[in-house]
Amino acid sequence: AQSVAQPEDQVNVAEGNPLTVKCTYSVSGNPYLFWYVQYPNRGLQFLLKYITGDNLVKGSYGFEAEFNKSQTSFHLKKPSALVSDSALYFCAVRSPYGGATNKLIFGTGTLLAVQP
Amino acid sequence: EAGVAQSPRYKIIEKRQSVAFWCNPISGHATLYWYQQILGQGPKLLIQFQNNGVVDDSQLPKDRFSAERLKGVDSTLKIQPAKLEDSAVYLCASSLDPSRNQPQHFGDGTRLSIL
Repeated sequence: AQSVAQPEDQVNVAEGNPLTVKCTYSVSGNPYLFWYVQYPNRGLQFLLKYITGDNLVKGSYGFEAEFNKSQTSFHLKKPSALVSDSALYFCAVRSPYGGATNKLIFGTGTLLAVQP
Repeated sequence: EAGVAQSPRYKIIEKRQSVAFWCNPISGHATLYWYQQILGQGPKLLIQFQNNGVVDDSQLPKDRFSAERLKGVDSTLKIQPAKLEDSAVYLCASSLDPSRNQPQHFGDGTRLSIL
């Protein structure tokens, strides 16, 4: 069965510093990986995805993520954090098998707090 | 484009009462999802529709939860009777083509509180 782990409940970073939000996964075959962001009292917004190809994926708002197959990780990164990046971040995985019926499995989320 | 619309935004009911949530997906999106998000957890899929057919309802508590998407557009999720553990945010999402890993677009959810 597929699963996602986000080992940090919260990440604190100063504005202007680089940030990393960690994600590891477990799935049969080559995974499809996603990052979503959730602001207070809002739904999730798609940031980026890895399907195949280049291990470094660029997404919205200056975020990027690096797929590492040997470490089964897909960490989210940004070179310079903004206070407005403060939000809840979810990693999700989908198995390559099963077509459209195969659902996304979400991690428990990591709260990113960027201090001014 | 207009996003996924959900109503109501908030609902407070007593246990054993019934409640219904409504969702209007992005125009043209054939796939519609209902998720339950309990505080401190990630969203959990309850049911997935492809047009008006159910694709996956394996995690839907069918003794109390029901959902329909009669004309392949709007959808309604109902809980009857509600239990205390149903307190959560119910998120609706839609996707153009999940088989091609098109992203899911989420509404702002309905926050349900059970007293």
